[in-house]
Amino acid sequence: KAGVTQTPRYLIKTRGQQVTLSCSPISGHRSVSWYQQTPGQGLQFLFEYFSETQRNKGNFPGRFSGRQFSNSRSEMNVSTLELGDSALYLCASKRVVVEPEEYFGPGTRLTVL
Amino acid sequence: SQQGEEDPQALSIQEGENATMNCSYKTSINNLQWYRQNSGRGLVHLILIRSNEREKHSGRLRVTLDTSKKSSSLLITASRAADTASYFCAILQGAQKLVFGQGTRLTINP
Repeated sequence: KAGVTQTPRYLIKTRGQQVTLSCSPISGHRSVSWYQQTPGQGLQFLFEYFSETQRNKGNFPGRFSGRQFSNSRSEMNVSTLELGDSALYLCASKRVVVEPEEYFGPGTRLTVL
Repeated sequence: SQQGEEDPQALSIQEGENATMNCSYKTSINNLQWYRQNSGRGLVHLILIRSNEREKHSGRLRVTLDTSKKSSSLLITASRAADTASYFCAILQGAQKLVFGQGTRLTINP
């Protein structure tokens, strides 16, 4: 079974721009979560989607948004990029929300200049 | 916050030695998970231990959980160069949100 895939793997943007990251979960997995990882703050939960509905949201500004499609693929969008948004963005999937184990993708490395 | 706190932050040992890292947390949990992350890549789920379990094994991994002390430990026996990675404990906060500790960076020297 193919793992979680994320595209693109690397991205360079400038301040003020917006960016969209994509995540395809493992086949049959309907829950998709997004995490931001930085050296200073570590791994922080952004949001979780299940059946196209946002189920949980972390403590991030409204510039961070996401959505999930009917095939469970998910996108996250960051508008008006700031230097501090430079991070590794990780997507994780699981079959259903109540399962504790998450399966992570390789991440998208975003650099904001 | 139920964020796990790992200790030590960094650990360097010789190949073949055992590596032990610890995780402490603040509130009641149903289970605790350990993940591994190779440099700049995604996380890999290693093991989950439930609150009614005291010890769990998986290959060269041994995890213990002491709910009275709100702590867990991960032991890697007979370490290999491929074990070089960061290790994170994670706790479910609320219904489904995983909260990670800052991680332990493990380096295995040949």
